[in-house]
Amino acid sequence: QSALTQPASVSGSPGQSITVSCTGISSDVGRYNLVSWYQQHPGKAPKLVIYEVTKRPSGVSARFSGSKSGTTASLTISGLQAEDEADYYCSSYGGVQNYYVFGTGTRVSVL
Amino acid sequence: QITLKESGPTLVKPTQTLTLTCTFSGFSLSTPGVGVGWVRQPPGKALQWLALIYKTDEKLYSPILRTRLTITKDTSKNQVVLMMTNMDPVDTATYYCAHTTYSLLGGFDYWGQGSLVTVSS
Repeated sequence: QSALTQPASVSGSPGQSITVSCTGISSDVGRYNLVSWYQQHPGKAPKLVIYEVTKRPSGVSARFSGSKSGTTASLTISGLQAEDEADYYCSSYGGVQNYYVFGTGTRVSVL
Repeated sequence: QITLKESGPTLVKPTQTLTLTCTFSGFSLSTPGVGVGWVRQPPGKALQWLALIYKTDEKLYSPILRTRLTITKDTSKNQVVLMMTNMDPVDTATYYCAHTTYSLLGGFDYWGQGSLVTVSS
């Protein structure tokens, strides 16, 4: 029932690639391929950028990609751009009690 | 196109019950696989998943808040209602409703603009 763990901040220069991690436990991230990622700009509603660990919704840039290993899911942003500066949240199915849970959030800064 | 909008009180007193309504267009909760959920975000803090209801009337709740939450749908009005009992100042947050489908496996692809609810006496 605890929030998934994300680093508070990640930064990179334009054009670089960065990775945001999302750590859960064996009964949520570790058991199900039901991880989503959201981008949220200040004062705006979140935007879905990845679902089912690796899939991109229509219209989302191919610079966004997702992966998972064990109990840790990851979001990679390649070719970092100024517009990518935002907060990013992961979400996973929680399992037995039939619910979903968000991560603690990561502020991505473009230097 | 799909749109959602939250409505309800902006200010509630401690111990009161909050009732929020999500009115949507561009889809129907009578369509198989469609769902509407609620997420909140306290000022300056992280998103918190609250509840989700599907066309089948399957309901999912955050275990932490399960005893205080009720989610219902009115398919004919294109509305989903979230009730939260025994409100406390820590429940002050922007409350969002959002659209999902089974194929998104829990992901919300369309969101409302959010509704700020302040809990204070």
